[in-house]
Amino acid sequence: QVHLQQWGAGLLKPSETLSLTCAVYGGSFSDFYWSWIRQPPGKGLEWIGEINHRGTTNYNPSLKSRVTLSVDTSKDQFSLKVSSVTAADTALYYCARGHSHILWSPWGQGTQVTVSS
Amino acid sequence: QSVLTQPPSVSGAPGQRVTISCTGSNSNIGAGYDVHWYQQLPGTVPKLIIYGNTNRPSGVPDRFSGSKSVTSASLVITGLQAEDEADYYCQSYDTSGLYLFGTGTTVTVL
Repeated sequence: QVHLQQWGAGLLKPSETLSLTCAVYGGSFSDFYWSWIRQPPGKGLEWIGEINHRGTTNYNPSLKSRVTLSVDTSKDQFSLKVSSVTAADTALYYCARGHSHILWSPWGQGTQVTVSS
Repeated sequence: QSVLTQPPSVSGAPGQRVTISCTGSNSNIGAGYDVHWYQQLPGTVPKLIIYGNTNRPSGVPDRFSGSKSVTSASLVITGLQAEDEADYYCQSYDTSGLYLFGTGTTVTVL
């Protein structure tokens, strides 16, 4: 059974860089694409981007200029960086496993990121 | 950016049937991409309940069913139960290379 465990800083100031990491346990890291999704307070879901074990990435065009995804296959981990954050980046961030454009359960537990001066 | 449109809310009494629509366009659902559905119970992580338009992952009750038409899709809950009270999101893929989520629908059990 696959399990995704995520972590990262939860409180940031405007203009700082958001950094989150997701570790994958119990599954084949190389068989999937690995996604990040976010959910602002009281709002819907927004896909941020995905990466595979080779480092091939796809990004949401609306965030592409500020987002960097990376992967560490030695640890079965993948990471998200969002630069120059503003209050609009305040959200619950999730990591998830993707295949055939489906985001399979279970997702990571979620990390609340708040941007405030 | 493309949008998948859902009704903000639907409601029904226990045992009733409710339908949630998901309307897309020719650049996503109409381009042949499948539709998937996620259930988000209050305060929890979204969970996949329908994939590939009509398929249920193991453990999802058969009262949940999905269908797809040309540029739209539907999630039907037959025999609504109190534990089905949640937010539901459809999701597809777009020709711009984007996973696209629906606007979300809150299901209320009366």
